Amino acid sequence: GQNIDQPTEMTATEGAIVQINCTYQTSGFNGLFWYQQHAGEAPTFLSYNVLDGLEEKGRFSSFLSRSKGYSYLLLKELQMKDSASYLCAVMDSNYQLIWGAGTKLIIKP
Amino acid sequence: DVKVTQSSRYLVKRTGEKVFLECVQDMDHENMFWYRQDPGLGLRLIYFSYDVKMKEKGDIPEGYSVSREKKERFSLILESASTNQTSMYLCASTPSGVSGANVLTFGAGSRLTVL
Repeated sequence: GQNIDQPTEMTATEGAIVQINCTYQTSGFNGLFWYQQHAGEAPTFLSYNVLDGLEEKGRFSSFLSRSKGYSYLLLKELQMKDSASYLCAVMDSNYQLIWGAGTKLIIKP
Repeated sequence: DVKVTQSSRYLVKRTGEKVFLECVQDMDHENMFWYRQDPGLGLRLIYFSYDVKMKEKGDIPEGYSVSREKKERFSLILESASTNQTSMYLCASTPSGVSGANVLTFGAGSRLTVL
């Protein structure tokens, strides 16, 4: 079957760096997405990786290794507003999205 | 600046009632989706549509139906609500074409409680 694994919850300190991992096993691969979802709000797009390597976008970076079935989202200079759930999703060979359960990130002052 | 609007944020219904969840997008997107989101689970696709009058079953279509009479509107229907359909329902849309780079734009969600 198809599977996406990510930690259920993580805690970090304001101003620090946190890495949220995502591992996947899917039927084919057409890209990996990260979305951010604040409590009670819509998920919003953060990043898309289809080739191996690191994509940097301001304080957020996303890394992909297709051979290892692995991605991470790196958040730098954490701010209280970064407290949210982070959703990893992989597009399979049929262009269907397979979603992880999300990682709830708690930022402490 | 609202792009995907779900008509009801919170609904409480009784078992056996018919429930309509409405979703409207103003981005002229061809593709629209309905997901449900439950604690500890990833988003699960209920139905999707690539064009007006067209619909495709997702991973968990049982107990649901959809309607897409106009391009901008995609409705989710629970013919006879059951308690196991208590959930957060998310509508989303993307522009045309099947591409790994298509980014979903989500609505704020409709939290349905079935008593």
